[in-house]
Amino acid sequence: AQSVAQPEDQVNVAEGNPLTVKCTYSVSGNPYLFWYVQYPNRGLQFLLKYITGDNLVKGSYGFEAEFNKSQTSFHLKKPSALVSDSALYFCAVRDIGGSQGNLIFGKGTKLSVKP
Amino acid sequence: DGGITQSPKYLFRKEGQNVTLSCEQNLNHDAMYWYRQDPGQGLRLIYYSQIVNDFQKGDIAEGYSVSREKKESFPLTVTSAQKNPTAFYLCASSIVAAGGVNEQFFGPGTRLTVL
Repeated sequence: AQSVAQPEDQVNVAEGNPLTVKCTYSVSGNPYLFWYVQYPNRGLQFLLKYITGDNLVKGSYGFEAEFNKSQTSFHLKKPSALVSDSALYFCAVRDIGGSQGNLIFGKGTKLSVKP
Repeated sequence: DGGITQSPKYLFRKEGQNVTLSCEQNLNHDAMYWYRQDPGQGLRLIYYSQIVNDFQKGDIAEGYSVSREKKESFPLTVTSAQKNPTAFYLCASSIVAAGGVNEQFFGPGTRLTVL
């Protein structure tokens, strides 16, 4: 069965410091991985995805993610955090068992960036 | 939140009542999805539809029903059989392309509270 795990419920970072939000996955076959962000009482916004190719994927708002096949990880990173980055972040993997577009989401990591 | 609208933003229901949540998209996407979000549990798939007049149950379909009479619309009915309906409901859509892996676009959500 496919799954995705976000081992940290919350990550605290000082503004200007680098941030990492962790995600690990378990899939049979090729992993198709996504990151989304959710601001309070809003829908999810797509940040980036990994399909194939370069292990470092660049996305919206200065975020990037590094795909590591040996560690089955897809951590989200940003070199310099902003207070406005504070939000809930979801990692997702494509559900090959369902329809083509179905995703399996992690439980989310709350990112708090302090001034 | 792209071209997906959900209404109402807040909805209150008395026990024993059915309520319908609206979801409309103008992105010309074939696939549409309904998720339920509870604190600390991430997103769970309720129903999805890849084409008009066809839909499939997700992981937590019991107590819910949907219809897909038009490509643009995918309303969700929360029936009285759903024992714990208080949650944040998110609608999403995506394109369906052979061999493609496409991100989902989310609406702003509806917060349902049972009184």
